[in-house]
Amino acid sequence: GESVGLHLPTLSVQEGDNSIINCAYSNSASDYFIWYKQESGKGPQFIIDIRSNMDKRQGQRVTVLLNKTVKHLSLQIAATQPGDSAVYFCAEKIHGQNFVFGPGTRLSVLP
Amino acid sequence: DADVTQTPRNRITKTGKRIMLECSQTKGHDRMYWYRQDPGLGLRLIYYSFDVKDINKGEISDGYSVSRQAQAKFSLSLESAIPNQTALYFCATSVEGVDGELFFGEGSRLTVL
Repeated sequence: GESVGLHLPTLSVQEGDNSIINCAYSNSASDYFIWYKQESGKGPQFIIDIRSNMDKRQGQRVTVLLNKTVKHLSLQIAATQPGDSAVYFCAEKIHGQNFVFGPGTRLSVLP
Repeated sequence: DADVTQTPRNRITKTGKRIMLECSQTKGHDRMYWYRQDPGLGLRLIYYSFDVKDINKGEISDGYSVSRQAQAKFSLSLESAIPNQTALYFCATSVEGVDGELFFGEGSRLTVL
């Protein structure tokens, strides 16, 4: 079946720089997307979501961009901090069905 | 206190043993899920339940069974554990009827020797 994938398994950024984490999805029928953050030893935590009728959504220091033409989702983290070090997952969903998760990208913040 | 609580958090067992992982939630959500996480792979759905009388197989249900004892409780059983069931298991909940986030527990790490 179709699944969500990520371009990079690891990403290292300097503290204070912006981070961009990418996600490719293959099901054009997906209409809802979420980014999760998973810190070591913890369960995934919701960061931000976006529906397919939008192409951008902003939260506190985070922005999600959705490009339906190329089926691409990205998470931008502004002024990356040590506490942002974690694994980030994207997940896609078709209304009425269950989420499909990507494999995750590990973000490391360098001092 | 956590809204979604999993027990045990860590368990080491031997091949062939029966194992039960328990999940309880105080969020009042109708929908509950069990996921498995392996290194380098995304979360994969094992079973899910939309209410007490509803049980559905997910992507990787073979070798697992579940019980929804009450709205707040959803347990996952491995009838005869095998080493390739060594993984991190997550319980999650969600609200019925709307597309929204899953709320995850802290995870149960299971090692089958």
